[in-house]
Amino acid sequence: SQQGEEDPQALSIQEGENATMNCSYKTSINNLQWYRQNSGRGLVHLILIRSNEREKHSGRLRVTLDTSKKSSSLLITASRAADTASYFCATDDAQAGTALIFGKGTTLSVSS
Amino acid sequence: ETGVTQTPRHLVMGMTNKKSLKCEQHLGHNAMYWYKQSAKKPLELMFVYSLEERVENNSVPSRFSPECPNSSHLFLHLHTLQPEDSALYLCASSPGTRSGWGTDTQYFGPGTRLTVL
Repeated sequence: SQQGEEDPQALSIQEGENATMNCSYKTSINNLQWYRQNSGRGLVHLILIRSNEREKHSGRLRVTLDTSKKSSSLLITASRAADTASYFCATDDAQAGTALIFGKGTTLSVSS
Repeated sequence: ETGVTQTPRHLVMGMTNKKSLKCEQHLGHNAMYWYKQSAKKPLELMFVYSLEERVENNSVPSRFSPECPNSSHLFLHLHTLQPEDSALYLCASSPGTRSGWGTDTQYFGPGTRLTVL
């Protein structure tokens, strides 16, 4: 069964606006990660937040984690056209101990 | 540049062909992964190797055969594929050991775009 599911599936914004993507998951986790993928390329790791953390920042990225709701959000502030990409959350299953499971992703389009 | 390379970048093959995808990581990692990415589907984990031992195999058809000769190299051997196997095949690596690879940050290669005719 799918672990992480991103919402919305697609998001279109103007440069300078903020973009918020959400991720929900099903099991207990050790950490949650966000990745970015430019069209037809490999995924690039953006940020990792551990289960005992509630918020984390990296440059223009802000990630929150609510383990009680089994959800996370990724906020990109002051978006740029270069932020156009697909964004994926990935979670481990703390009990099963298997590899990361990726969601279907949110496709972000930033127009100038 | 993530330190993970994949060759070839594009591959077109017939259903009766045999080909291999190659992945090499220059990061000193212990775990390597093969994923399949099809349009409008989540990333599908195919195989995981940790310290050159296969530790996860997610019900992948036998027409896909992985090989991990050492911790820096990973191959995916392909034979008698079907058109539905057309996809982007991604390789990734992570630092982990057998007990710890599941939570690792993964470093991805650029992928091989495979088309099966």
